[in-house]
Amino acid sequence: KAGVTQTPRYLIKTRGQQVTLSCSPISGHRSVSWYQQTPGQGLQFLFEYFSETQRNKGNFPGRFSGRQFSNSRSEMNVSTLELGDSALYLCASSSGTRQPYQETQYFGPGTRLLVL
Amino acid sequence: QKEVEQNSGPLSVPEGAIASLNCTYSDRGSQSFFWYRQYSGKSPELIMSIYSNGDKEDGRFTAQLNKASQYVSLLIRDSQPSDSATYLCGGGAQKLVFGQGTRLTINP
Repeated sequence: KAGVTQTPRYLIKTRGQQVTLSCSPISGHRSVSWYQQTPGQGLQFLFEYFSETQRNKGNFPGRFSGRQFSNSRSEMNVSTLELGDSALYLCASSSGTRQPYQETQYFGPGTRLLVL
Repeated sequence: QKEVEQNSGPLSVPEGAIASLNCTYSDRGSQSFFWYRQYSGKSPELIMSIYSNGDKEDGRFTAQLNKASQYVSLLIRDSQPSDSATYLCGGGAQKLVFGQGTRLTINP
């Protein structure tokens, strides 16, 4: 099976702009989770989508949003970018038969976002 | 108190020795735990998952879970230079939370 894919792999944006990241899960997986990874805060959970609905949410501001399509592909949007949003954004997929904290997450290669 | 805590290291181990990585968690409702390995510039990849008290072995890797002590560990036997990476411990009761990661270096 093909793994989780993410596009784009690298992005450079300026403060105040918005960005949309895309994630295609492993075939058959219905749950997609998004994480932010920074050297200071580590790997932090943003939110999870299952069957086109946000099922779980982390402690991030409303500037971070997402959606999931009927084919389980997911997008994440960050509006009004701040310098602190510079990070590696990782998408992970799982079957969705259990909650994401109860089953193995398979990570994509990530999108590295730099905000100038 | 962080929900999942790891010693950030760096942990340096000679080649062929046993590397021991430790993780504690605060939420007693946590039932599933995961060890991921992350090479520099790459994404995390699953090493082991563990759901029950006791040991779980897979090749050179052994995960140990002690729910009474809220403690999870990963042992790597016969450590190889290719095991040099950051190891992430994850668990949680309402969401998957990761520790800061332990940077492991295997010295030839």
